[in-house]
Amino acid sequence: ETGVTQTPRHLVMGMTNKKSLKCEQHLGHNAMYWYKQSAKKPLELMFVYNFKEQTENNSVPSRFSPECPNSSHLFLHLHTLQPEDSALYLCASSQGGSGILSDTQYFGPGTRLTVL
Amino acid sequence: AQSVTQPDIHITVSEGASLELRCNYSYGATPYLFWYVQSPGQGLQLLLKYFSGDTLVQGIKGFEAEFKRSQSSFNLRKPSVHWSDAAEYFCAVTDLTGGGNKLTFGTGTQLKVEL
Repeated sequence: ETGVTQTPRHLVMGMTNKKSLKCEQHLGHNAMYWYKQSAKKPLELMFVYNFKEQTENNSVPSRFSPECPNSSHLFLHLHTLQPEDSALYLCASSQGGSGILSDTQYFGPGTRLTVL
Repeated sequence: AQSVTQPDIHITVSEGASLELRCNYSYGATPYLFWYVQSPGQGLQLLLKYFSGDTLVQGIKGFEAEFKRSQSSFNLRKPSVHWSDAAEYFCAVTDLTGGGNKLTFGTGTQLKVEL
């Protein structure tokens, strides 16, 4: 496979469930990102990982827990979510490093999450 | 802080007509600018990017964009639109707060193509 892949593509969960989203990049990048895209709202950056270290947490509620075991994989663990968390969750990767102005992000297809 | 404005929420064009999507940025130094496209239910695909040099950049799918520093704009253009270009288009600028590696996105422009 090439590029950035995300699984599952669709997920329906109850508010008491625990689930995880998975992202894998095959581009040899060192930085990975989680974004939330809700209807009629701008794209929201949630987390950034650079060389497996979290470098950005954009005031995300603790019911979202990221994990980056290596530079190729990124997870988003979900528990006790709310209906307003229903959205498209996008993963992206880039070459990474610090202060690289030209760093270009490549996105996966997203996971459509519905919280009942 | 950097910001990106896409003034048009929706645009409708006829197939074969030319297209221009507007993007204005707010940034003190030389910006690093991107255009992405998102088809329904899909992720964002990079169309083109501008870092420096020639202010007219070519991208994939026949798109181009022109950087105009005097107008703080980076408008996306296509001479002849195809029905498959119907999608949402996002302009973005590199966000330098916190050491870079972040993008600030506009709110997007939804393009509809009439046959």
